Amino acid sequence: EVQLVESGGGLVKPGGSLRLSCAASGFTFSYAYMSWVRQAPGKGLEWVGRIKTKTDGGTTDYAAPVTGRFTISRDDSNKSLYLQMNSLKIEDTAVYYCVTGDCSSTFCPDGIWGPGTMVTVSS
Amino acid sequence: DIQMTQSPSTLSASVGDRVTITCRASQSISVWLAWYQQKPGEAPKLLIYKASSLYSGVSSRFGGSGSGTEFALTISSLQPDDFATYYCQQYNSYSRTFGQGTKVEIK
Repeated sequence: EVQLVESGGGLVKPGGSLRLSCAASGFTFSYAYMSWVRQAPGKGLEWVGRIKTKTDGGTTDYAAPVTGRFTISRDDSNKSLYLQMNSLKIEDTAVYYCVTGDCSSTFCPDGIWGPGTMVTVSS
Repeated sequence: DIQMTQSPSTLSASVGDRVTITCRASQSISVWLAWYQQKPGEAPKLLIYKASSLYSGVSSRFGGSGSGTEFALTISSLQPDDFATYYCQQYNSYSRTFGQGTKVEIK
């Protein structure tokens, strides 16, 4: 069964840091571009960023609101995706989803989503 | 960044109705558009990709159309399970963006 499961969410103070993890199973993780998408309470979906496969350079792209503060990385040996979040702001409060299309292309739709993990930034 | 604008924001309809949601891109995205359905407390589910291709396991009452900057999602006969929020997403560029969502409510 194809599955993504996020972990690491919780309550953090403004200016703090948090690292989210995503465990993948049921597909060839090393061949897949991986992304993070978030959703603030009662709001719409917001793309956070993406990491390509090592074969395609392992490069990352980020949405403007998180550039310079968030870092996406991957560990293909452990089939895991990470989101390191620094200098957290109240507006980063959201459910964070791990997402993939199980393929290595920009033109690959995101058909596989994890259940999400909640991050709350509050003093 | 490419901006995506959905309309309407809310749609009230009855079971059996044919409903259409539109999505406009701020610049041409060819056919690189997806539609998602999300229910409260759940992760989004992919319905349509490449503007008009039905994702595996999705009911054929969902249909997509369009190219360039104008797109539409049509539900041919609304069922009770279809009351949800729908999002379009462009994946033409390295930075993917979503529309603001359309909530389909029971009339």
